[in-house]
Amino acid sequence: QVQLVESGGGVVQPGGSLRLSCAASASTFRSYALHWVRQAPGKGLEWVAVLWSDGSNENYAESVRGRFTISRDSSKSTLYLQMNSLRAEDTAVYYCTTESSTYGGAFDIWGQGTMVTVAS
Amino acid sequence: DIQMIQSPPTLSASVGDRVTITCRATQSIGSWLAWYQQKPGKAPKLLIYKASTLESGVPSRFSGGGSGTEFTLTISSLQPEDFATYYCQQCKSYPTFGGGTKVEIK
Repeated sequence: QVQLVESGGGVVQPGGSLRLSCAASASTFRSYALHWVRQAPGKGLEWVAVLWSDGSNENYAESVRGRFTISRDSSKSTLYLQMNSLRAEDTAVYYCTTESSTYGGAFDIWGQGTMVTVAS
Repeated sequence: DIQMIQSPPTLSASVGDRVTITCRATQSIGSWLAWYQQKPGKAPKLLIYKASTLESGVPSRFSGGGSGTEFTLTISSLQPEDFATYYCQQCKSYPTFGGGTKVEIK
């Protein structure tokens, strides 16, 4: 059973940085593309970033490109999201999630989410 | 970017009702569409993928249809646990979600 557990959220001032972590099972990194999706309070879902299962490629939503970096440590089975130059509009619950080709690109497993609040 | 337009934003219904939510893509996405259910304070849950394939464990009262640019999620007989917010997502390119449909008790 694949499980994803996010951590690292908190309150940060505008312009600050935060690093989110997502712990997964070892097999997850071999089989799944890994994504971050966020949800601002009372709003809908917004895709943030993806890292390919082999770690060969990554991509970002336009709203975070140049400020956020997705990465992983396979030895720790952990996915990261380094968030720099944070803005008030980055305030959201951040979920890590898995994409399997079996599901036609859908996100089949989700973590419980970690809250990021950007405020002075 | 492919935009997903979901309607209605809110739907009031009673237990036992048949309800349908619509999702329209701004360009053709074939059958690369997923539906999710989200309850307050919880992560989204995958219901349907590839437009019409029911995820394992999801009740058969849920069904998905459509292809190209027009898609539907139907709940054949609404149950108390189905009151939630539903999102569509296109999976053809970098993912985008519909704005959501909140299914409320009438």
